[in-house]
Amino acid sequence: GAVVSQHPSWVICKSGTSVKIECRSLDFQATTMFWYRQFPKQSLMLMATSNEGSKATYEQGVEKDKFLINHASLTLSTLTVTSAHPEDSSFYICSARVAGDFPGELFFGEGSRLTVL
Amino acid sequence: GQNIDQPTEMTATEGAIVQINCTYQTSGFNGLFWYQQHAGEAPTFLSYNVLDGLEEKGRFSSFLSRSKGYSYLLLKELQMKDSASYLCAVSPGYSSASKIIFGSGTRLSIRP
Repeated sequence: GAVVSQHPSWVICKSGTSVKIECRSLDFQATTMFWYRQFPKQSLMLMATSNEGSKATYEQGVEKDKFLINHASLTLSTLTVTSAHPEDSSFYICSARVAGDFPGELFFGEGSRLTVL
Repeated sequence: GQNIDQPTEMTATEGAIVQINCTYQTSGFNGLFWYQQHAGEAPTFLSYNVLDGLEEKGRFSSFLSRSKGYSYLLLKELQMKDSASYLCAVSPGYSSASKIIFGSGTRLSIRP
């Protein structure tokens, strides 16, 4: 199946700093990628839909100025957590479908565990 | 609004059969997915149903009734490695850009 790579897997940062997480589709093109957030023992909460070449669509309650999403190419989307605080500590997972494949399986990255001190 | 319900936790015995139910109410419907997620890992795809009926894939089967807004995942010959969370998810939209909405997940524990 298609592979989605996410980097970094683990990141620890100080409060007030910014952290960038990359999501790459390695062997397919993805016009749309999705960013999820997951707290311990909870399910995946969709944060935003990342569209190549255009602005991301954020879910209600997600601050777009805090969680900056850039989807500059058909294989790369980035999530930047700006001015991170301890409550932003979570497991962030990206996913993607093969472009034009609908409804299609959603392929997930390995996830990035963010800890803000 | 969008609503997907599934039990929070279930326990079953190794070698047995377990059924995990999912009900949904969404603004649109274009398929239901089941994913398995082990602790600390990303979800992995198990099944996809868009038409009514039962889809069988090895030890796992998934059923869908669109008129009832209902699905279940059936796991047979349970193994210890099946201990994981099982996520029911619905695609309410009609394009490749459409998001997938996840239920809260069912944590399944397998006992020897």
